[in-house]
Amino acid sequence: DAGITQSPRHKVTETGTPVTLRCHQTENHRYMYWYRQDPGHGLRLIHYSYGVKDTDKGEVSDGYSVSRSKTEDFLLTLESATSSQTSVYFCAIREGGFYNEQFFGPGTRLTVL
Amino acid sequence: AQSVTQLGSHVSVSEGALVLLRCNYSSSVPPYLFWYVQYPNQGLQLLLKYTSAATLVKGINGFEAEFKKSETSFHLSKPSAHLSDAAVYFCAVSEKRDDKIIFGKGTRLHILP
Repeated sequence: DAGITQSPRHKVTETGTPVTLRCHQTENHRYMYWYRQDPGHGLRLIHYSYGVKDTDKGEVSDGYSVSRSKTEDFLLTLESATSSQTSVYFCAIREGGFYNEQFFGPGTRLTVL
Repeated sequence: AQSVTQLGSHVSVSEGALVLLRCNYSSSVPPYLFWYVQYPNQGLQLLLKYTSAATLVKGINGFEAEFKKSETSFHLSKPSAHLSDAAVYFCAVSEKRDDKIIFGKGTRLHILP
């Protein structure tokens, strides 16, 4: 068990409102990732972090921002939610092992009305 | 650039039959390859990984995968399907110098009783 929690697990919000999703890890790993999962698209990387205050964009970063002020927390913010951001969001951590494997949290289901 | 193609978005097999899920990858350097499984309403769980130590990789729950460089393939198999194997399976590729993993779009495995 990689010790990853996500909050909230479910959220319904309205178009135009800001939303923040939290990923928390208990293992002090350097790398953390945010993905979204949509039917027909698999998992797509939104942003990732390689250390406190060090982040980089993934393939679908438009409309999202992230922050990492502590090793254990990685926040994903939708500045102004749109219906196209309705999705399941997964956080992952990389344990620093040699082979790049990632371990995933339970996910957050976000619905934007 | 790395990429992963999973053949068949849905695969159905009878209980007790062979499971074969196909994955082809593209990578400019020797890759790391992974299979993940996602059970309903859960995050992704690592099934197995290829790291160049052996071409036949054994994973959890009786699954194994064979790396074939000449075919750029990493197919997942299990000799005898169980009802509990019904899930979505993701193939993924990474490279040693890269912080990221590229996921395929997933194959949903249905087990027929």
